[in-house]
Amino acid sequence: ETGVTQTPRHLVMGMTNKKSLKCEQHLGHNAMYWYKQSAKKPLELMFVYSLEERVENNSVPSRFSPECPNSSHLFLHLHTLQPEDSALYLCASSQDRPGGSWVTDTQYFGPGTRLTVL
Amino acid sequence: QKEVEQNSGPLSVPEGAIASLNCTYSDRGSQSFFWYRQYSGKSPELIMSIYSNGDKEDGRFTAQLNKASQYVSLLIRDSQPSDSATYLCAVNPPPAGTALIFGKGTTLSVSS
Repeated sequence: ETGVTQTPRHLVMGMTNKKSLKCEQHLGHNAMYWYKQSAKKPLELMFVYSLEERVENNSVPSRFSPECPNSSHLFLHLHTLQPEDSALYLCASSQDRPGGSWVTDTQYFGPGTRLTVL
Repeated sequence: QKEVEQNSGPLSVPEGAIASLNCTYSDRGSQSFFWYRQYSGKSPELIMSIYSNGDKEDGRFTAQLNKASQYVSLLIRDSQPSDSATYLCAVNPPPAGTALIFGKGTTLSVSS
């Protein structure tokens, strides 16, 4: 496997289900991200993990719960979702440079998980 | 509020023409700028990155950055129907390590 992989690619779930999205990066990066992309809206940053610590949480509802067990893996645990949560969920990774560098390396995206909540 | 603005389009150009995509950003301290291409139903893929004022060329693509005007553009020469996609502008604002902020994207349609 190369790059950033995500599973599953498609997921249909009911509002009472619990499911998890998985992301794995094979690029040796130290930062990982979850984005949500809904139709006609820009990419919305959900969570950022840098060096396995969550550094950003953009007011995401608690029904979304991220987990980053190591620098290569990122999960998004889902429970009691709403139909408006249906979207494309994208994972990305980058090489973060702590210590004050202004230059942020490119984010590489996985193929995404198309989530439908019934 | 840190913002990245793009005209949503659609921008329609004939095959072989030059397509010009524009982006403005609000945070004057931003240092890194990226253009991503996203085909319908697919994830974004990087086309260009630019960090310094001026032009950067890569094949048929040229990125232009003007930090004084807070403006970054992407030119696509000899446009092909396969270039039809949504183009996302992304900016890395300070402080260092902050995640990218994406614009809504411009939809480009190249007709043969």
